[in-house]
Amino acid sequence: DIQLTQSPSSLAAFVGDRVTITCRASQNIKNYLNWYQQKSGKGPELLISLGSNLESGVPSRFSGSGSGTEFTLTISSLQPEDIATFYCQQSHSTPWTFGQGTKVEIK
Amino acid sequence: QVQLQESGPGLVKPSETLSLICSVSGGSVNSGSHYWNWIRQSPGKGLEWIGYVFYSGSISYSPSLKSRVTISVDTSMNQFSLKLSSVTAADTAVYFCARDRRNKTVGFHYGMDVWGHGTTVIVSS
Repeated sequence: DIQLTQSPSSLAAFVGDRVTITCRASQNIKNYLNWYQQKSGKGPELLISLGSNLESGVPSRFSGSGSGTEFTLTISSLQPEDIATFYCQQSHSTPWTFGQGTKVEIK
Repeated sequence: QVQLQESGPGLVKPSETLSLICSVSGGSVNSGSHYWNWIRQSPGKGLEWIGYVFYSGSISYSPSLKSRVTISVDTSMNQFSLKLSSVTAADTAVYFCARDRRNKTVGFHYGMDVWGHGTTVIVSS
C-alpha cells in the first residue's frame, strides 16, 4: 500500500495568513494526488485533483503543487469559512489511501 | 447534478453483517467514466477506503477488509451496496459512498467528486 504522511497534523493561523500543508507519499505517485476539505459533520469535498487542478467552484485562494512523492496544498489567504480538516488521497494505485488529515483553525 | 444517498440500519449487532445502499440520483451508475466507492470514518479518525465497484461488476477492495467485504452494483435500481460481515465495535463509523472519476482514454483515476452525506453505523449488542 502507498502511505501518505501529512504535516502538520494541525495548525492555527490568522485570517489572511498564507497556509501550507504538505503530503508525502511512500513511493512515486506521479501527479495522482487529490486534496479534500472536510468541514465538521459533513462529507469531504474535492478541492484539487491531479496535484494541481482546481475543481470547479473552489475558490482560487486554494492551490496545489508537487509531483512524485511531495505535494503541497496552499491557502493563499485564510478565511473563516476555511476551518476544516484537509486530507490528501492518492489515486495512483489501489488500495486508495488517504493522509491522516490536517486540522486548520483560526487564531 | 448527481447526488448520492446512503441508507441502512444505524445499529448492527456484533458478528452480524452490516448492509448499506447508496442510491444515485441525477446520473447513472452505468457511466463508463465513474467508479463507485465506499469510504468510512471511525469516530474522531481519518478516512479509510473500503472499496469500489464499476458498472460492469469489476471490483477492488481494501486488503485489510477484503475477507469481509462485498460491494455490488444494481444498474436496474441505479444503486450500489456494501456488505461487511462479522462486524465488531471497530467497524463503528460513519460510512460514505462516493463517485470516483476515471479517464476513459488513458485509464487513470482523478478524485472522488461527489459524496453522500454519510450514515452512522454503530456496532453494539
